[in-house]
Amino acid sequence: NAGVTQTPKFQVLKTGQSMTLQCAQDMNHNSMYWYRQDPGMGLRLIYYSASEGTTDKGEVPNGYNVSRLNKREFSLRLESAAPSQTSVYFCASSQERRLFFGPGTRLTVL
Amino acid sequence: RKEVEQDPGPFNVPEGATVAFNCTYSNSASQSFFWYRQDCRKEPKLLMSVYSSGNEDGRFTAQLNRASQYISLLIRDSKLSDSATYLCVVTPYMEYGNKLVFGAGTILRVKS
Repeated sequence: NAGVTQTPKFQVLKTGQSMTLQCAQDMNHNSMYWYRQDPGMGLRLIYYSASEGTTDKGEVPNGYNVSRLNKREFSLRLESAAPSQTSVYFCASSQERRLFFGPGTRLTVL
Repeated sequence: RKEVEQDPGPFNVPEGATVAFNCTYSNSASQSFFWYRQDCRKEPKLLMSVYSSGNEDGRFTAQLNRASQYISLLIRDSKLSDSATYLCVVTPYMEYGNKLVFGAGTILRVKS
C-alpha cells in the first residue's frame, strides 16, 4: 500500500516550457487535491476533484489545468511555466476528515 | 488579514519542556479544526483533530476557543523528535471539500 505517490520529485523548467505532474493514490479515496506551498504561506489549493470526472478550481488555479483520469489518478499540468510557479507541489487525497499527502514535487522555473 | 494566522516562530525549547502555540482564525463560521505536522522537506501529516471540548493524545493537547476564535496545541515533555513545523487547518464544513484553509505554520525546535 503506497498511499499517495507523485512524480517527478524534482524538476527544473525554463520559462514557457510545459510539464505534467503526476499523482496516484491506492486508497480508493474519492476526493483528490493539488496544493502549492510557498515560504511564509500556508498550503494553497490549486484544484480539487470530489470524484472521478469532476474538478473544481481552488484558490490559485491560474496557469494550471488538471485531469482526473480515473479514481486513482489526478494530474496537474503547467502549460507555459512562469517563475511565479516555482514552488513545492503536493497532491493529496482525503477520507474521513483526514488528508493524505504525497511526498511533493519541488519545481523551479528559471 | 489572513484567514488563519500562526506565529511562525521558531520556538526553541529544551528537551522536556512544555510548549504551546496558538492559531487564530477569522471566519466565525468555521466548524472543523486540525493540527498537521510537517517535517523538514516532507509532506504534512495529520497530528490530531481539535474537538470543541478539547482533546488529548499522549503528550499533545488541543483546545478550541470559539469565543476568541483560536485553537491551541500544547506539547508536554518535548522530545527531539517533536522538532517540526505545526500547521493549523480550519474549514467551515464538517467534511473537507475544497474549503480547507491552512496556516503558514509554527516552527518548533527542541534542543538537547
